[in-house]
Amino acid sequence: EAGVAQSPRYKIIEKRQSVAFWCNPISGHATLYWYQQILGQGPKLLIQFQNNGVVDDSQLPKDRFSAERLKGVDSTLKIQPAKLEDSAVYLCASSSERGAEQFFGPGTRLTVL
Amino acid sequence: GENVEQHPSTLSVQEGDSAVIKCTYSDSASNYFPWYKQELGKGPQLIIDIRSNVGEKKDQRIAVTLNKTAKHFSLHITETQPEDSAVYFCAASWEGNQGGKLIFGQGTELSVKP
Repeated sequence: EAGVAQSPRYKIIEKRQSVAFWCNPISGHATLYWYQQILGQGPKLLIQFQNNGVVDDSQLPKDRFSAERLKGVDSTLKIQPAKLEDSAVYLCASSSERGAEQFFGPGTRLTVL
Repeated sequence: GENVEQHPSTLSVQEGDSAVIKCTYSDSASNYFPWYKQELGKGPQLIIDIRSNVGEKKDQRIAVTLNKTAKHFSLHITETQPEDSAVYFCAASWEGNQGGKLIFGQGTELSVKP
């Protein structure tokens, strides 16, 4: 069974630029999560989707971050404009349903200069 | 708000020794406690989990214990091997159709010296 796929793996941008990350969850998984992991810390949930609907986006900085999962499969996370403090690894995870085991992708390491 | 505290932040042991990592959670409604191992450049991988109706769970060299009253849970690794070296995260969450969000601890960097 293929795991969670993410791209790109690495991205370097300058502050105030925009960037987008892509995630393809495990086939058939209804729930998709985006986490932000700052160096030396545990991951923090940014947004949770159930199929193509948002379940929890309480910790998403909505003035600059946006995410969508239009067809209930792939998802994109966008940052516009980026700030220095957005430098982190962005992890995508999926689970078969809410509350079930989460499987993580390899992450996208973002560096904002 | 919801919070998980994890200790120690770094742990160095000799191969063959045991390693123990401890976590405390704040939300008494939490009922699912997974542990993840994260190797350099990779995403977290689930190694073991425990639910609130169980006090202890073991899988080969790994065991987890849960004290709901004290809101503590711990990871025990016996007979450590160099390949156990990684960052370990505890997390707290809720099962069922209201669940999903994982609240992670700060992580423990385990180093197993040959």
